[in-house]
Amino acid sequence: LAKTTQPISMDSYEGQEVNITCSHNNIATNDYITWYQQFPSQGPRFIIQGYKTKVTNEVASLFIPADRKSSTLSLPRVSLSDTAVYYCLVGDGSGGSYIPTFGRGTSLIVHP
Amino acid sequence: EAGVAQSPRYKIIEKRQSVAFWCNPISGHATLYWYQQILGQGPKLLIQFQNNGVVDDSQLPKDRFSAERLKGVDSTLKIQPAKLEDSAVYLCASSLDEMARLSYEQYFGPGTRLTVT
Repeated sequence: LAKTTQPISMDSYEGQEVNITCSHNNIATNDYITWYQQFPSQGPRFIIQGYKTKVTNEVASLFIPADRKSSTLSLPRVSLSDTAVYYCLVGDGSGGSYIPTFGRGTSLIVHP
Repeated sequence: EAGVAQSPRYKIIEKRQSVAFWCNPISGHATLYWYQQILGQGPKLLIQFQNNGVVDDSQLPKDRFSAERLKGVDSTLKIQPAKLEDSAVYLCASSLDEMARLSYEQYFGPGTRLTVT
């Protein structure tokens, strides 16, 4: 089972780009990388998912190097409302049942 | 599209009492998850259903926790008897995936905040 490691916390300021890196050294061939965002008193919310190279949606970008042993979630021009906990999950997308494992996540605080 | 519904939103009970949580997933979602989230930690999977069947319950304290999914739709999670350390937010999530794979997005409900005194 792939294990992930993320920074516990990060600070940024409004308008800056924030990059959160997740390490997953023993990622398996069929594993996808998925990021969730969680605000206080709410359940996590899906942000983005990828398998390799780069994925972009209206919220964020996900960069995955060729060896796939890490991934970086990029949030462009953050605002105060991006203050949240961000979780990186890695798991099987090939057809085997997967046990989703959330770590402690990265607590991002955006300052004015 | 309606989201995942959970009730109650808040519950306060004394230790050794019992409590039940209810979850109604998004219509058509085959996979349903129950998580426990203790303050300051990430959600911990308790049990995962695929339609009517249990995919994984390895982290469910079976001596006190039980869960069922009625007709592959609604689900209830019960704790009996509750302990102080059960104080947490209980989250329900569902996924369209019929094979319980991570590559399918999970949709979470608002959670039930349980306080055991």
